[in-house]
Amino acid sequence: AQSVTQPDIHITVSEGASLELRCNYSYGATPYLFWYVQSPGQGLQLLLKYFSGDTLVQGIKGFEAEFKRSQSSFNLRKPSVHWSDAAEYFCAVVPYNFNKFYFGSGTKLNVKP
Amino acid sequence: DTGVSQNPRHKITKRGQNVTFRCDPISEHNRLYWYRQTLGQGPEFLTYFQNEAQLEKSRLLSDRFSAERPKGSFSTLEIQRTEQGDSAMYLCASSLVSGDSGANVLTFGAGSRLTVL
Repeated sequence: AQSVTQPDIHITVSEGASLELRCNYSYGATPYLFWYVQSPGQGLQLLLKYFSGDTLVQGIKGFEAEFKRSQSSFNLRKPSVHWSDAAEYFCAVVPYNFNKFYFGSGTKLNVKP
Repeated sequence: DTGVSQNPRHKITKRGQNVTFRCDPISEHNRLYWYRQTLGQGPEFLTYFQNEAQLEKSRLLSDRFSAERPKGSFSTLEIQRTEQGDSAMYLCASSLVSGDSGANVLTFGAGSRLTVL
């Protein structure tokens, strides 16, 4: 079945530590890939996207993500986490030749002082 | 531009009542999406419009749900005879695309939270 998987429901990191959030998808051709962030009571905000080209993409707030075709993955990274990064993060996929976004179930990030 | 606006932000209703949510997208955006999000889950696709045409509806969207975008600007999502299982956050998003392309970026509103008692 086609799906977007975020295997980590909750992650806790210390402020200043590095972060990696995992996302795997199962769609045939290379889809369009996104990471969104949602703070409590807020809508989703786009962090970064991959359409084509360089597989390492830079986003806002110091985030980056790497597309790995062989692993069907699009993991989100940040070298040094800030307390304000505490939020829920969603990976999203638009399969090639489709027009709707499929979202993972999210990873909730807690940041320890 | 003030982004994507959704109203009301919160709605509490009794089972069996009808509710309507409104979404005002970014003015130049031609595509509008409705998603539903329940606690601990990612958003689930409900339907989308390109201009005023409703191009796709999810099987999640039972016949109690109807969405319109009459002039290709704002959209409404109506739920008739609400059930407790309809309790969720209803998210609207808009985007600007040329042609039939999935390579677009969604801008989301803050959502409308529905509680059915």
